[in-house]
Amino acid sequence: DQQVKQNSPSLSVQEGRISILNCDYTNSMFDYFLWYKKYPAEGPTFLISISSIKDKNEDGRFTVFLNKSAKHLSLHIVPSQPGDSAVYFCAASDSNNNDMRFGAGTRLTVKP
Amino acid sequence: DAGVTQSPTHLIKTRGQQVTLRCSPKSGHDTVSWYQQALGQGPQFIFQYYEEEERQRGNFPDRFSGHQFPNYSSELNVNALLLGDSALYLCASSFGQIEAFFGQGTRLTVV
Repeated sequence: DQQVKQNSPSLSVQEGRISILNCDYTNSMFDYFLWYKKYPAEGPTFLISISSIKDKNEDGRFTVFLNKSAKHLSLHIVPSQPGDSAVYFCAASDSNNNDMRFGAGTRLTVKP
Repeated sequence: DAGVTQSPTHLIKTRGQQVTLRCSPKSGHDTVSWYQQALGQGPQFIFQYYEEEERQRGNFPDRFSGHQFPNYSSELNVNALLLGDSALYLCASSFGQIEAFFGQGTRLTVV
C-alpha cells in the first residue's frame, strides 16, 4: 500500500535556482514527516523534518512545507547546488506506530 | 562516532539458503529498525527492535526474523531465500522517536 507517494521520479534544475520536491500521503494518522537524501552506495541521510503541528520548518537552504488538509508536503532547496544532486526520499510516521513509510524517491540533478 | 555500521556490505547467496545481516547502532541509540529497498523503490519497513524485543513489524513473511542484543546491536535473518529477496537491506538506529540514522546498507543478491 502506497501511503506515501512521490510522483516525480526525477527533477533537473539549474545551479542557483530553486528545487521543489513534492510528496503526498494518504494516511491521516501520520503526524511526523521527514526528508532523507541518498547518494549512491550510501544509506539515506536525514535532512529535515516537520511535525504536524507546524506548517513550515526551515534549516538553512532547506525548507519543508506541510499542508495537512491536502495531505501534501514539499521540500524547497534554495539556492540549489550541484552537491545537492541525489535521490530524495519523503517519509512519514505516526505517534502510535514506530515504522516510517517512505516514498519511492525523486532523483534531483542540479546542473552547473 | 562511527555512526550506524552494517556488515557485510555485499553478499551473494543461493536460492533456499539462509542469511544473517548485522547492524551496530549509532552510539547512544537504543532502537534499531530494518528496511528492505528494492531497485527503484523507497525503503520498506521490515521490523523494529527495542529493549531486545520486536516492537513493530511490517508486511514481511515469517522468513524474516531478527534479534537485538543487550549492547543494542541487531541481526536480520532471512530463511529460505527467494530471488525476490535480492535488495539493499538498510539498518536504521534512533533514540526514542527522534530521526533515524541509516547505515550504508547490505546489498544482498540471491541467485
